[in-house]
Amino acid sequence: KNQVEQSPQSLIILEGKNCTLQCNYTVSPFSNLRWYKQDTGRGPVSLTIMTFSENTKSNGRYTATLDADTKQSSLHITASQLSDSASYICVVSARTGANNLFFGTGTRLTVIP
Amino acid sequence: DTEVTQTPKHLVMGMTNKKSLKCEQHMGHRAMYWYKQKAKKPPELMFVYSYEKLSINESVPSRFSPECPNSSLLNLHLHALQPEDSALYLCASSTRTLADLGNEQFFGPGTRLTVL
Repeated sequence: KNQVEQSPQSLIILEGKNCTLQCNYTVSPFSNLRWYKQDTGRGPVSLTIMTFSENTKSNGRYTATLDADTKQSSLHITASQLSDSASYICVVSARTGANNLFFGTGTRLTVIP
Repeated sequence: DTEVTQTPKHLVMGMTNKKSLKCEQHMGHRAMYWYKQKAKKPPELMFVYSYEKLSINESVPSRFSPECPNSSLLNLHLHALQPEDSALYLCASSTRTLADLGNEQFFGPGTRLTVL
């Protein structure tokens, strides 16, 4: 069964601190993995896209890693800012199937001053 | 223009009303999607249009009726909704629906729907 699980469900950190969010998946055959940021009441916005051959990709203070062997990905946020408070959703795409996108349940991050 | 727009931003309707949600994109994308998102949950796929034709209907009740008048527009017609249909409705578009990098979905800001 194709599933995407994220941990932790929620996280509270102090402004300026780093944090790491986890995503484990069982989606097969794997095509790519994306991390989205979703502000409350808004649509998700893509942060990074990773394919099978990519191990690390950075986008400013966001760094995503992918281990295709263990089917795990992480999103590391450096020097957090109040504006980082949002839900972070891991979305895994399968290479086959009519409905080939699988969404994780998200991690709700709150950055406090 | 690299955004997906949705109107209205908020909608309150009674169970006997008929209303429509609208979505528009001008990125030349040929795949468009409707999602329903409840609070603290990930988006749930409702419909997929590919080249203006309905390609996926995820067993959505008939009180939701999608329409794709042209490649830039996507509507969702609502009739006889229930209070449990209250949610954030997200529209998304992508270059295509194939499972490659071309299917990165760009999401609109959503319509917050409340059914009384």
